[in-house]
This record gives sequence, C-alpha cells and structure tokens, in this order.
Amino acid sequence: GQNIDQPTEMTATEGAIVQINCTYQTSGFNGLFWYQQHAGEAPTFLSYNVLDGLEEKGRFSSFLSRSKGYSYLLLKELQMKDSASYLCAVLDSNYQLIWGAGTKLIIKP
Amino acid sequence: DAMVIQNPRYQVTQFGKPVTLSCSQTLNHNVMYWYQQKSSQAPKLLFHYYDKDFNNEADTPDNFQSRRPNTSFCFLDIRSPGLGDAAMYLCATSSGQEASYLGGDTQYFGPGTRLTVL
Repeated sequence: GQNIDQPTEMTATEGAIVQINCTYQTSGFNGLFWYQQHAGEAPTFLSYNVLDGLEEKGRFSSFLSRSKGYSYLLLKELQMKDSASYLCAVLDSNYQLIWGAGTKLIIKP
Repeated sequence: DAMVIQNPRYQVTQFGKPVTLSCSQTLNHNVMYWYQQKSSQAPKLLFHYYDKDFNNEADTPDNFQSRRPNTSFCFLDIRSPGLGDAAMYLCATSSGQEASYLGGDTQYFGPGTRLTVL
C-alpha cells in the first residue's frame, strides 16, 4: 500500500527553527509537495522537490532524499503566523497525489 | 489574478436534502479535482476531471456526483447528504502537464466550502 508518515503535532518557539519530517512509501515517485494549511482554510502550495537535495525559498526550505523515501520542511525565524498544519504529499507513478495527514505546528511566544 | 473560486464558502443543509457546491477557475487548467477533508485528516480525493474525462475514485460513494460543463466550472452534487458528509470540500486545479522538472503537476486550491448537515 501507499503510505505517507509525518508527526501529528510539533511545538516551537517564535524566532526559532523547526524541521518537519516526512517519510513515504509509494508506487513510483514523480515529486513531493509541501502545503501549508491554516485552520479552516484551504492548503496553499509551499514547495516541490523531484531531485535530491535542498530547495530554499526564503524562510522555508525543503529537502528530499529519494533513496531514503524521506523529506523535510525547514522553517526558520518562526513567526506566529506560521502556526498551521503542514501537509506532505507525493505524486505517484500514476500522477495521483498521495497525502499525509499533516503536522500541526504550534508556535509559542 | 488567476485563481480558484468556490461558492458558497459555508453551506448548511438538512439531512437528505440535495446540495450543490460550485468551483470556477481562471487558470485555464485542464484538470479539476474535488476533495473531502475532515478535521485533522488528509484531503480525500473524490474525483477529478482531465478536461472532460471524468475519473471517479473507487471508494467515492454514489451519493456524490460531479459535472464539468466547461473548462472553467465544476460542480459537486451531494444527492442525499448524511451527517457523515459534514466536512470541508476543496476544489483544486492543475495544468495536467507531466513535465515534472518544471514543477510537477502542482495543484492549486480554492478556499473550500464548509458543509454542515443538520
């Protein structure tokens, strides 16, 4: 079966750095997405990785290791508005998007 | 700005009373998706259209139907809503291009419709 694993909840302090991990087992791989979802709102696209390595986009970076079936989202200089759920999703060989359940990130002052 | 629009944002219906949710897009994307998302769960794909080609997920109940009259619009019909159908319904679009190195087939979401069933 296809599976995406990520922690249910994480807590971090304003101004700090947090890393949200995602591991996956899917039938094929055509890229990995990270989405941010604030409570009661729709997911918004953050990043896409299809090659191994780190993609940096401002305060957010995303890393991928295809051999390990592993990705992480790194958030730097945390702000209160970063409190949200972060969803990891993998595009499988049929170009179907397989979703993780999301990691709820709580930022404390 | 190019966008995905969903109406209404909040919908209240009675048990068994049909309801229609709408989605429109100005991105000129080929693919449109309908997801159901319940609290603290991953979005669950109900069906998607590649242009006019309809693709139903195997476990989508018959109670859910969809129409795509043209490229810009897509509708979700719930024929007889039950209490278990209360959820956020998300519409998303993607270009449908399989050129992964150009960013994959990124899905862009509308703001969602929160459905309450009384």
